Amino acid sequence: KQEVTQIPAALSVPEGENLVLNCSFTDSAIYNLQWFRQDPGKGLTSLLLIQSSQREQTSGRLNASLDKSSGRSTLYIAASQPGDSATYLCAVRGGSYIPTFGRGTSLIVHP
Amino acid sequence: GAVVSQHPSWVICKSGTSVKIECRSLDFQATTMFWYRQFPKQSLMLMATSNEGSKATYEQGVEKDKFLINHASLTLSTLTVTSAHPEDSSFYICSAKEREASDTQYFGPGTRLTVL
Repeated sequence: KQEVTQIPAALSVPEGENLVLNCSFTDSAIYNLQWFRQDPGKGLTSLLLIQSSQREQTSGRLNASLDKSSGRSTLYIAASQPGDSATYLCAVRGGSYIPTFGRGTSLIVHP
Repeated sequence: GAVVSQHPSWVICKSGTSVKIECRSLDFQATTMFWYRQFPKQSLMLMATSNEGSKATYEQGVEKDKFLINHASLTLSTLTVTSAHPEDSSFYICSAKEREASDTQYFGPGTRLTVL
């Protein structure tokens, strides 16, 4: 059974810092990995989707990498802003269409 | 991009009552919809997979008689929490997949259920 772990569980940083959020998974036989953002009391917003054959994806200040063999993904946020404050969820999809989610990293970027 | 809506966005009810939550795909036909629940500071846990025109498939430990799922059309799935109790209070999120070959699930904004 796939297990997804996200470290750290919470992070508080001053504005402008570059951040790395970590996601690890136990079964490397994945189809894809996706990073989401969730604001308090809201649904999920997809940030980046990395297929198993890819090493990384970039969107604006966000960069996600995938190392399938070691079961790790990182989400890099450059020049963090207060508006980046949210919970970031990592979801790993195996052979089925059903992703396994981590518990998320709660990020606070203070001015 | 594709949009999924949920209604209501929040609901408060008394213990013992039933609550229906709707999940709609607004600009695409969803052959499959998923229902998740999320407790505070926890990950999303899949409750059931709903296929249009057929019975839902429930995950282990989810009571199908308590969480009734109906996927009567390609744009609407409903989750009814029957005889709700305080322990059913949670954040319920649906997602929809457009077609069998699609990689992408589109998530709804969630419904906060509070049972008094």
